[in-house]
Amino acid sequence: ILNVEQSPQSLHVQEGDSTNFTCSFPSSNFYALHWYRWETAKSPEALFVMTLNGDEKKKGRISATLNTKEGYSYLYIKGSQPEDSATYLCALYYNTGNQFYFGTGTSLTVIP
Amino acid sequence: EAQVTQNPRYLITVTGKKLTVTCSQNMNHEYMSWYRQDPGLGLRQIYYSMNVEVTDKGDVPEGYKVSRKEKRNFPLILESPSPNQTSLYFCASSLWGGSNQPQHFGDGTRLSIL
Repeated sequence: ILNVEQSPQSLHVQEGDSTNFTCSFPSSNFYALHWYRWETAKSPEALFVMTLNGDEKKKGRISATLNTKEGYSYLYIKGSQPEDSATYLCALYYNTGNQFYFGTGTSLTVIP
Repeated sequence: EAQVTQNPRYLITVTGKKLTVTCSQNMNHEYMSWYRQDPGLGLRQIYYSMNVEVTDKGDVPEGYKVSRKEKRNFPLILESPSPNQTSLYFCASSLWGGSNQPQHFGDGTRLSIL
């Protein structure tokens, strides 16, 4: 079982603040990293799939970076809005198998 | 509409009574997977399937069975459920291999085993 760590565990920010959180993972045999957004009472939805060291992805106010050599990815949200409130999950896929390994997520609450 | 459909959404049952949670996708995806979500833990993979008739154990397969006889369906079977299998379960699918393709999740099944 691989250890995928996400920090912080939870975060409360004011509307309009920018924020970021981290996914740390073992870098050996890395193949792909996925970010998902999971709203309460819904199912996780894919945000980004990242495979290359130095990858940067952007969707609206949300962006992500990837460092496969040191084993971390950052997710950034610019100008947080209440609708950004959700748990953000990262999942790792390694080339030693066909499994996904999920972190425990960062729970974001944006206060109006 | 492209979707992953799980049934039932909620189930309360008793120890030892066999149950099946169905999962169906209409996107012609090759890769399908089952996860369980427990408080304080990340999503943990139970079983996955790379394609029809190809299934493999994930991290927590004990007490579960799966089958993949058709591409669209991937049922999760609990032959003799126990209280420690009380959890929130998700089925997911992706186009292939699971690596650089995002997973599409079903709405979840909340199981309570008394």
